[in-house]
Amino acid sequence: EPEVTQTPSHQVTQMGQEVILRCVPISNHLYFYWYRQILGQKVEFLVSFYNNEISEKSEIFDDQFSVERPDGSNFTLKIRSTKLEDSAMYFCASSFGTSGVETQYFGPGTRLLVL
Amino acid sequence: AQTVTQSQPEMSVQEAETVTLSCTYDTSESDYYLFWYKQPPSRQMILVIRQEAYKQQNATENRFSVNFQKAAKSFSLKISDSQLGDAAMYFCAYRSGGMGKSTFGDGTTLTVKP
Repeated sequence: EPEVTQTPSHQVTQMGQEVILRCVPISNHLYFYWYRQILGQKVEFLVSFYNNEISEKSEIFDDQFSVERPDGSNFTLKIRSTKLEDSAMYFCASSFGTSGVETQYFGPGTRLLVL
Repeated sequence: AQTVTQSQPEMSVQEAETVTLSCTYDTSESDYYLFWYKQPPSRQMILVIRQEAYKQQNATENRFSVNFQKAAKSFSLKISDSQLGDAAMYFCAYRSGGMGKSTFGDGTTLTVKP
């Protein structure tokens, strides 16, 4: 079965540093998403991306965050200057379409720790 | 905006018994989909079951079934013949028919006792 992959699985960084989280969505999918889960809390939507543009973003997704599809396979989330509160699990997801009938497949997550 | 509420932070069940996890949601939309995800200690999000709002029939996947009450905006998950491997955090999620993002509840931690 096709799957979404994410790298790295774990990342430790110093506050103020830039991090890039990488995702490889399922190959024929057109819509890509990032979610965040702070330890012990619910999964929160960050941003959705389609046709090389952001289609929706949450209030969490401020100017410190950016997303990019640098080539035909990767989808990245960049945090420009990390803060302690950015420590969380970050999930990438992809779907063929936006309709709920289209299953959203989640990657295994990247655990980010900001010291 | 849609909201999803899981009122049970923790639940426990004896192995081989049945447990029901509750979820309610609030929406003004008529076209939407509901999901249950399992998150084991590895924290991977695994889709357990999905329900289309336009379908009256409750979804079933092996030992997992839902009780979908559209008028009450309730979407509970029943796990039959619970197994030790079912122990995990379970999230209820809502997805609009036309919007890509999913909205998650706070989660219920399920413990399975041998």
